[in-house]
Amino acid sequence: EAQVTQNPRYLITVTGKKLTVTCSQNMNHEYMSWYRQDPGLGLRQIYYSMNVEVTDKGDVPEGYKVSRKEKRNFPLILESPSPNQTSLYFCASSFWGAHNEQFFGPGTRLTVL
Amino acid sequence: AQSVTQLGSHVSVSEGALVLLRCNYSSSVPPYLFWYVQYPNQGLQLLLKYTSAATLVKGINGFEAEFKKSETSFHLTKPSAHMSDAAEYFCAVSDRTSYDKVIFGPGTSLSVIP
Repeated sequence: EAQVTQNPRYLITVTGKKLTVTCSQNMNHEYMSWYRQDPGLGLRQIYYSMNVEVTDKGDVPEGYKVSRKEKRNFPLILESPSPNQTSLYFCASSFWGAHNEQFFGPGTRLTVL
Repeated sequence: AQSVTQLGSHVSVSEGALVLLRCNYSSSVPPYLFWYVQYPNQGLQLLLKYTSAATLVKGINGFEAEFKKSETSFHLTKPSAHMSDAAEYFCAVSDRTSYDKVIFGPGTSLSVIP
């Protein structure tokens, strides 16, 4: 089954404790992206990757890191989480770029205390 | 910079009534335009996409959207609402000059009243 998977689905952590949210897709997509969803703000793009070893900032990259060492994986790293990073996070992937249909993961709900 | 506005954060319609969700974009060049739907506790899925081939775009589940360049709009409609249409709807744009970023609107929550 073609899908985007994220882990964990739910995470409660404390300020400053490094964490990683994994994202994996099995559709051989070149483009992958991370978004955060907050009430009234829609989805805001954090980072995206056009292909392996090619990553760039979206609109809200502060406090986040990513890497793209393999085509299928695109982990999101919070080196020192803060309460304002409490949010619902989505990973998505598509062929070639953002102009094509994106397939979304089920989301990761993160709470930073 | 591109932006997307969605008029009405919450829309309620009766079952069987017309659904109209509004989306306006700001861009000097008509971008790629999308409507995504998010059902409760799920990720987003594509309803339809405008690429420039036709101004009236048909999507899944009976939805369609009309691109109007003069109004910079891409409103989503469905002739007859069904209970299963209750969800959050997002309009999104992607620049034609680059294929990297997507800008999402704030979303419209649709409620369907029996």
